[in-house]
Amino acid sequence: DTGVSQDPRHKITKRGQNVTFRCDPISEHNRLYWYRQTLGQGPEFLTYFQNEAQLEKSRLLSDRFSAERPKGSFSTLEIQRTEQGDSAMYLCASSLVALQETQYFGPGTRLLVL
Amino acid sequence: AQTVTQSQPEMSVQEAETVTLSCTYDTSENNYYLFWYKQPPSRQMILVIRQEAYKQQNATENRFSVNFQKAAKSFSLKISDSQLGDTAMYFCAFLRDDKIIFGKGTRLHILP
Repeated sequence: DTGVSQDPRHKITKRGQNVTFRCDPISEHNRLYWYRQTLGQGPEFLTYFQNEAQLEKSRLLSDRFSAERPKGSFSTLEIQRTEQGDSAMYLCASSLVALQETQYFGPGTRLLVL
Repeated sequence: AQTVTQSQPEMSVQEAETVTLSCTYDTSENNYYLFWYKQPPSRQMILVIRQEAYKQQNATENRFSVNFQKAAKSFSLKISDSQLGDTAMYFCAFLRDDKIIFGKGTRLHILP
């Protein structure tokens, strides 16, 4: 399977705990995006990378959230001191710079904060 | 603010019928991309069809076609000969500044 992969697919945690999600983009894609999708809503942009550089962060991305793409390949999204409002599906997508309009999405990580 | 509005939260149609999903959007840009994405239950988001705003011709992909009305900022999706596998959430979206902005979605049920 050469598509975008995400790990874990599901995560249940207690309020106050830290969680980390991983995204592996399509291998030749230099852009990687994170979106968040809450129940009954469409995905909302969080942040994106071009290679290892983080180019933009949404105001939705509070100080408790941090994303990295250290070698320009996989990316991690960490949430510190989770809150119940963080419960959502976290989607990763990737694209080529030259074809930025075509973003390929991964299966998502569903987070439940108790 | 740039927004995408899908006025139909949920729709049901019989298999083999044609269905049209509505979408309006708001942007001050002249050139942009519009999309319809499909999200089946518990499965990942898939691009259904894409339209470049500067192209007047409506995009088509097999049973899927769009009616793009740029002046009205309308971008509807028509699914012909609907199949059970078309059951999914459908999101209208557009791209600007590298970010995809999604509507809230329309849940489509294809009934046998």
